[in-house]
Amino acid sequence: GENVEQHPSTLSVQEGDSAVIKCTYSDSASNYFPWYKQELGKGPQLIIDIRSNVGEKKDQRIAVTLNKTAKHFSLHITETQPEDSAVYFCAASITGNQFYFGTGTSLTVIP
Amino acid sequence: NAGVTQTPKFQVLKTGQSMTLQCAQDMNHEYMSWYRQDPGMGLRLIHYSVGAGITDQGEVPNGYNVSRSTTEDFPLRLLSAAPSQTSVYFCASSYSIQIVKGYTFGSGTRLTVV
Repeated sequence: GENVEQHPSTLSVQEGDSAVIKCTYSDSASNYFPWYKQELGKGPQLIIDIRSNVGEKKDQRIAVTLNKTAKHFSLHITETQPEDSAVYFCAASITGNQFYFGTGTSLTVIP
Repeated sequence: NAGVTQTPKFQVLKTGQSMTLQCAQDMNHEYMSWYRQDPGMGLRLIHYSVGAGITDQGEVPNGYNVSRSTTEDFPLRLLSAAPSQTSVYFCASSYSIQIVKGYTFGSGTRLTVV
């Protein structure tokens, strides 16, 4: 099956700086790549997604890029704020009935 | 519109006991699933359902049963709890797998098996 690797596992940035989280996937048939934010004690929440026919997508301070050739995709958060502190998960899917998740990145934004 | 509701939020079981984790959604989603979340391992799919009366196994189904008698409810049953089933369990739903989109997750059930 699909294997999704996520790096780094922990990331600390100063408030206002940018944060980048990277994921790689193994199955070239994967065509949908969502990112989730999980705050302490809560379930993951979808923050942005990208499909394989798109190279980049932005939503305010958040952007995702996809390189199908290299089979990797990245989450970019600009102008980070303390409320961005959370665990972020990437995922990949082929058919929609199963998502394969990365192991998560714990982001800390230092005021 | 409550989204995905999971109960209970916390549970402690003794080895060998059985229990049912409840999941309900009010968004008329066709697809529902159960994931477990363990430190350093991300989220792994246990079982899923693409509609009432239809269920299938995911990546880690052993020790768990599911059924889907209505569109709204998707309970997860632990038949004989083992310490290896200590985890945080999330129920997730999606409108349809025909249009692939991200899930809506519940807030989770933290299960400890002693």
